[in-house]
Amino acid sequence: AQKITQTQPGMFVQEKEAVTLDCTYDTSDPSYGLFWYKQPSSGEMIFLIYQGSYDQQNATEGRYSLNFQKARKSANLVISASQLGDSAMYFCAVGRGAGGFKTIFGAGTRLFVKA
Amino acid sequence: DTEVTQTPKHLVMGMTNKKSLKCEQHMGHRAMYWYKQKAKKPPELMFVYSYEKLSINESVPSRFSPECPNSSLLNLHLHALQPEDSALYLCASSQALRLGKTGRNYGYTFGSGTRLTVV
Repeated sequence: AQKITQTQPGMFVQEKEAVTLDCTYDTSDPSYGLFWYKQPSSGEMIFLIYQGSYDQQNATEGRYSLNFQKARKSANLVISASQLGDSAMYFCAVGRGAGGFKTIFGAGTRLFVKA
Repeated sequence: DTEVTQTPKHLVMGMTNKKSLKCEQHMGHRAMYWYKQKAKKPPELMFVYSYEKLSINESVPSRFSPECPNSSLLNLHLHALQPEDSALYLCASSQALRLGKTGRNYGYTFGSGTRLTVV
């Protein structure tokens, strides 16, 4: 069975500073995908970034980057230049299975951005 | 159109009621999903439809009955629910994901959810 661990229930960051949200995972699948999603208080889940298990380069999407350390099964999200609108719940997820149809989420980290 | 639309946004139902949640997407995605999310918890996968066929059922009780009438629509029929079924129900869609490889837009597109209260 696969498992995703997010050890930080809550994080505070000052506006304009960078923050790292931790994620470790455990899966026996040779091919998988790692995802980060943002969930504001409105409830909608917003896809942020994807990292393929075969990709040796860290993924980047604007202010988001994924620090992928495959041997350590770690997929930390780095948000640069935090903004007040970044305050939300952040979920790490791993997708597996044929077609990538089985995506399982970690417990999440609540990020608070201070002005 | 890059949206997944869920209706209704809020639903209150009694334990003897029958109701349906609806989900619609027009992105040409051939996989659609139902997730259940309790307060302060991560989403939990319930069902996956691939090309209008039920692909995954995560041992969901039969009082939840999914239906995929066509490639754009996904329904969740509710009957004889319990108060503990109160939650946010999220629908999502995606293309089939070629996991492991580099690529953009590999995530799911989620709807804004239906907040269900069972009384």
